[in-house]
Amino acid sequence: GIQVEQSPPDLILQEGANSTLRCNFSDSVNNLQWFHQNPWGQLINLFYIPSGTKQNGRLSATTVATERYSLLYISSSQTTDSGVYFCAVEGSSNTGKLIFGQGTTLQVKP
Amino acid sequence: GAGVSQSPSNKVTEKGKDVELRCDPISGHTALYWYRQSLGQGLEFLIYFQGNSAPDKSGLPSDRFSAERTGGSVSTLTIQRTQQEDSAVYLCASSLSGGGYEQYFGPGTRLTVT
Repeated sequence: GIQVEQSPPDLILQEGANSTLRCNFSDSVNNLQWFHQNPWGQLINLFYIPSGTKQNGRLSATTVATERYSLLYISSSQTTDSGVYFCAVEGSSNTGKLIFGQGTTLQVKP
Repeated sequence: GAGVSQSPSNKVTEKGKDVELRCDPISGHTALYWYRQSLGQGLEFLIYFQGNSAPDKSGLPSDRFSAERTGGSVSTLTIQRTQQEDSAVYLCASSLSGGGYEQYFGPGTRLTVT
């Protein structure tokens, strides 16, 4: 089945710094989503981005489907950005099943 | 509008007992998914419903796990004869339709088997 790898596994930033999180996947995808899991465990939708570039405030994401990777950019990080960021993909079989990466744990220090 | 809701939020049960977990998807969403998040295994897919049928049950870990969906809406995940390794957070998601649509997650049910 499709493999999803996220890097780095852990990231510590000072408030105000910028960061880039990466998601590599092993096959073509119908769907790619980025999530932020908050301290209460809720998965918050950040981007639905099977291809192209999107921006939402301080966050932006780019997926290059032909090269099988996606990047999540966080600019001017805040302590509230702390948590785990997951990339999840749905393979081209179209069953809707999302395969999750292992996540990047981000800690933003004041 | 309302998001995906799940109940109970927490469940503690004794080994060997049966449990039922409930998911109420976003109104109008025809696709519904169950996932499980545990420390050792990360986030893993369990089952996918399109309407009331389940075209993909490939993630159910054993025959102790079953799920149903009625009226194209609410779904129940049942775990029979619970084991300690079933302890995890069970997450439900829904999407407008199956395949290629954005999925929205509920807050999860934390199951602890003692």
